[in-house]
Amino acid sequence: GENVEQHPSTLSVQEGDSAVIKCTYSDSASNYFPWYKQELGKGPQLIIDIRSNVGEKKDQRIAVTLNKTAKHFSLHITETQPEDSAVYFCALSTGGGNKLTFGTGTQLKVEL
Amino acid sequence: GAVVSQHPSWVICKSGTSVKIECRSLDFQATTMFWYRQFPKQSLMLMATSNEGSKATYEQGVEKDKFLINHASLTLSTLTVTSAHPEDSSFYICSAREGGLYNEQFFGPGTRLTVL
Repeated sequence: GENVEQHPSTLSVQEGDSAVIKCTYSDSASNYFPWYKQELGKGPQLIIDIRSNVGEKKDQRIAVTLNKTAKHFSLHITETQPEDSAVYFCALSTGGGNKLTFGTGTQLKVEL
Repeated sequence: GAVVSQHPSWVICKSGTSVKIECRSLDFQATTMFWYRQFPKQSLMLMATSNEGSKATYEQGVEKDKFLINHASLTLSTLTVTSAHPEDSSFYICSAREGGLYNEQFFGPGTRLTVL
């Protein structure tokens, strides 16, 4: 099946700094790329997604960029706040937005 | 946004018993529901995909007879872990989506299963 590599596995930033998480994939047929935030003991929550016909999407402090040629997509969080601390997962699907394959996750810690 | 609930939120059972977990879409009709398993500090692993009224499609390595999935209505899917053993202890999460291309998957809050 599709493989998704996610880096870094842990990320510690100071409050107010930016955080960037990157995912790479191999299947050029992948066409839907969501990002999820998971807090301890809870289910994942969609925070932003991008489709293959778009290069960048922004929603307030969160943005996602997609480079189809290089097969990678990244999550950018600006002006980080303590409540941004969580595990973030990238995911993707190939064909029809159906089955998702998840990355390995990034533990983000925003320190005061 | 759309809400997916799971019940129970946590369950402890003895080895050899069966446990049923419910997943409900509260304000939309879910043509497809997914069941995931997540071990501590690991990613979500898809176990199976179920479409309403059809048999579930299981991922490679997931035992159909052990993890019984029923999707009898557009708002309810159940996962039954049969003859549970300690190695089945995990966080089970469902998600649901409406039909159509690119439709977002809405995730439930998860069920923590501990098998003694």
